[in-house]
Amino acid sequence: SQQGEEDPQALSIQEGENATMNCSYKTSINNLQWYRQNSGRGLVHLILIRSNEREKHSGRLRVTLDTSKKSSSLLITASRAADTASYFCATGLAGGTSYGKLTFGQGTILTVHP
Amino acid sequence: DGGITQSPKYLFRKEGQNVTLSCEQNLNHDAMYWYRQDPGQGLRLIYYSQIVNDFQKGDIAEGYSVSREKKESFPLTVTSAQKNPTAFYLCASGMTEQFFGPGTRLTVL
Repeated sequence: SQQGEEDPQALSIQEGENATMNCSYKTSINNLQWYRQNSGRGLVHLILIRSNEREKHSGRLRVTLDTSKKSSSLLITASRAADTASYFCATGLAGGTSYGKLTFGQGTILTVHP
Repeated sequence: DGGITQSPKYLFRKEGQNVTLSCEQNLNHDAMYWYRQDPGQGLRLIYYSQIVNDFQKGDIAEGYSVSREKKESFPLTVTSAQKNPTAFYLCASGMTEQFFGPGTRLTVL
């Protein structure tokens, strides 16, 4: 299995601070995605970075991908209490019956204190 | 509104019973997926379907069955062969980016 591993498992910060979460994976990938899950809800897609990209931005989110180290990081800048959620990385393969299939990490629980 | 729906939100099953979880999407996606999530854990893939009338086993398919007779629908049956079915079940659709339903929480009594 190429399931990703996320670090840290839990992160607690104050509003206004930046939050950084890391994801490592084991095999070659086509893309890496980050999702957010509020407690007891479905997941929401945040951002996708392809294997030939190194950095991507979306609003307060910044994602980096280092394919040589098989790792990615998600940075949330100027965090808000509403950012409190679990964050998951997911890796996607290319081609064949694996196309579209994602493998999820264990997640990082982020708590932002007002 | 476009989206993906799951029903019921909560489901209680007696041991030995089969139960079916509903998943419907109106996003016109060919691909649909079923995941299981246990407390404090990530998602594990049960089954996925890339096109109508075709589906593949995921990582934890034992004790589950699916059908894909219509593009919009991908129901999951949790059979009595699934020994530990209590979990949160999530349905998703989409080929690259996945869109998730709100989930069904299944509890075995």
